Amino acid sequence: DAGITQSPRHKVTETGTPVTLRCHQTENHRYMYWYRQDPGHGLRLIHYSYGVKDTDKGEVSDGYSVSRSKTEDFLLTLESATSSQTSVYFCAISGTNQPQHFGDGTRLSIL
Amino acid sequence: SQQGEEDPQALSIQEGENATMNCSYKTSINNLQWYRQNSGRGLVHLILIRSNEREKHSGRLRVTLDTSKKSSSLLITASRAADTASYFCATDSTGGYQKVTFGTGTKLQVIP
Repeated sequence: DAGITQSPRHKVTETGTPVTLRCHQTENHRYMYWYRQDPGHGLRLIHYSYGVKDTDKGEVSDGYSVSRSKTEDFLLTLESATSSQTSVYFCAISGTNQPQHFGDGTRLSIL
Repeated sequence: SQQGEEDPQALSIQEGENATMNCSYKTSINNLQWYRQNSGRGLVHLILIRSNEREKHSGRLRVTLDTSKKSSSLLITASRAADTASYFCATDSTGGYQKVTFGTGTKLQVIP
């Protein structure tokens, strides 16, 4: 979908372990976003990027870090996963003043 | 906190009927967007309406925006089973880096 790939698609891990999710795009879009989707909360923005090495926090950034070392990749890291971070994570991309295009999500379970 | 709140939370209709979903928001916006999410998939952009527009059409979709009431509605005419999905409004209140805030969604079921 719109040249955006998330990996892995599913992951189960234990509390306290580090987790990295990858978002890869082939559209050369400037903006990339990480959201989490939970029942009753809709989508909430975790972090976003407006260029290589340019990132900023979203609404629910605590416990998450991101990196963007090249245009096509945006990584989301949970340094020490907690059960409250069990969620479905979506990456999105967009060009300037363009709608966002979403990946198909990563289902993350933290036991 | 959610900027947009959709109403109803869930809607079940027969194929061929029209479906109307509403979105209310709290602060001034530059534009409002509607997205669709099929089960197990990412969101797909449907339509964008700017704050200076009152109505917009795209195929079987009709979106209205009332900035005085801070509300929008999405009408899907002649619904099909394939329209079964969750629908989200998203508001852009600050411009800049295109940060949008999504509502909690309306889950639409179209019964064949």
